[in-house]
Amino acid sequence: EAAVTQSPRSKVAVTGGKVTLSCHQTNNHDYMYWYRQDTGHGLRLIHYSYVADSTEKGDIPDGYKASRPSQENFSLILELASLSQTAVYFCASSEEDRTYEQYFGPGTRLTVL
Amino acid sequence: AQSVTQPDARVTVSEGASLQLRCKYSYFGTPYLFWYVQYPRQGLQLLLKYYPGDPVVQGVNGFEAEFSKSNSSFHLRKASVHWSDWAVYFCAVRYGSSGNKLIFGIGTLLSVKP
Repeated sequence: EAAVTQSPRSKVAVTGGKVTLSCHQTNNHDYMYWYRQDTGHGLRLIHYSYVADSTEKGDIPDGYKASRPSQENFSLILELASLSQTAVYFCASSEEDRTYEQYFGPGTRLTVL
Repeated sequence: AQSVTQPDARVTVSEGASLQLRCKYSYFGTPYLFWYVQYPRQGLQLLLKYYPGDPVVQGVNGFEAEFSKSNSSFHLRKASVHWSDWAVYFCAVRYGSSGNKLIFGIGTLLSVKP
C-alpha cells in the first residue's frame, strides 16, 4: 500500500541543537512537502520539492532547511532549534498532475525545550 | 492574496443531526478546493475535492460540499453525523502557478454529542 511515513513520530530537542526530521514515500510521487501545524494557524508550508536534489522555499522557510536526496526521501533540518519551532510537522507527497491531491504522513510532534 | 477562512473553531452537533462546516476562500482565478479530515493523532486524509465543473461534490462517508463562486464559499455538509466523525476538518485551496501548493484554513473541530 502506497504510504508516507515519518520518523521519528515524536522528539524532544534542546534549544540550539540540531534536529532532522525524515520522510519517506512509496507513492512514486514527484512532489514532496513539509508543513508545520500550530493551534490557530492550521498547516503552513515550510519547504517543498518537485525533483530529487532540488528544494523550494514555502511560505515560512526561515530557520529550516530541506534536503531531497532521492525521489522517495525528503528531510527537514533545524540547524539551531528554537522554542518557537515546537509544533507538529507533517510531510506530504503528490503527483505532478492536475489532481493536486496531497497524501500526508502521520506527523512528528517536536518539542523544543 | 489567496486565503482560506474557517470562521468556526469548534462545532458541536448531536449524533444523527445534520452538519454544515463553513469555508470561505479568497482566490483570483479558478479555485481548486479541498476538504481534509484529521482524526486524533493522525495525519490528514482527503474527504473530497472540487475541480471546475459540478458545484456539488460528493466525498467519502456521506460528506458532500457545495462550491459557490458568488459567495466565495465551499461549505461541507453531512445529513446525519456519526460519533466517528469527531475530528478536525480543514478546508484548503490550491495556489501558485506551479507546484501543487495548498493553503489551509485553521481547521474546525467537530464534536459529536451522544
